[in-house]
Amino acid sequence: GDSVTQMEGPVTLSEEAFLTINCTYTATGYPSLFWYVQYPGEGLQLLLKATKADDKGSNKGFEATYRKETTSFHLEKGSVQVSDSAVYFCALSASNTGNQFYFGTGTSLTVIP
Amino acid sequence: DAGVTQSPTHLIKTRGQHVTLRCSPISGHKSVSWYQQVLGQGPQFIFQYYEKEERGRGNFPDRFSARQFPNYSSELNVNALLLGDSALYLCASSLAAESSYNEQFFGPGTRLTVL
Repeated sequence: GDSVTQMEGPVTLSEEAFLTINCTYTATGYPSLFWYVQYPGEGLQLLLKATKADDKGSNKGFEATYRKETTSFHLEKGSVQVSDSAVYFCALSASNTGNQFYFGTGTSLTVIP
Repeated sequence: DAGVTQSPTHLIKTRGQHVTLRCSPISGHKSVSWYQQVLGQGPQFIFQYYEKEERGRGNFPDRFSARQFPNYSSELNVNALLLGDSALYLCASSLAAESSYNEQFFGPGTRLTVL
């Protein structure tokens, strides 16, 4: 079945460091891929998305490229800030399952000044 | 515009009891999905409803049920509560049910604790 495997955390970085959070997926259809962020005590917010192979999603300095050949959608940011501290979830939605989302287990990021 | 709203915010129940959680989608959104998020894990899909009909069901026991009303709001019901049902229950709305392109907008969740 469809699934998402996400890099284990927690991740601790110094401010202005480079961030990569790995995400790979398994899907039988043609999925759309998403990164959601969850700040402490809040619900999930969409960070970025890509709906087809080679698409790059970007938002707030974060980027992820839909790589069909490696079934990956790694999240990157060139220079993290303290305010980026949160839990990040990779997710997919496959066309053959309507709009049902499959989430990874989440990666906790802490950025220290 | 208001986002997805959920009530109550927190809830404490004892084993064997029943609970009803409520969700109001973003105005204009006709699809509502429910997810269970256990502490330290990603959300797990429970149900999707579109135009008052069930469109998808995750791997949850029959103790879990849901419905959608004519105004597109939704209720999630859980009977015979178990300790393992303690989780954050998230509601998400989207414009349509069929397309995988549509992002889902999540509410703040209801924190259920079963004692």
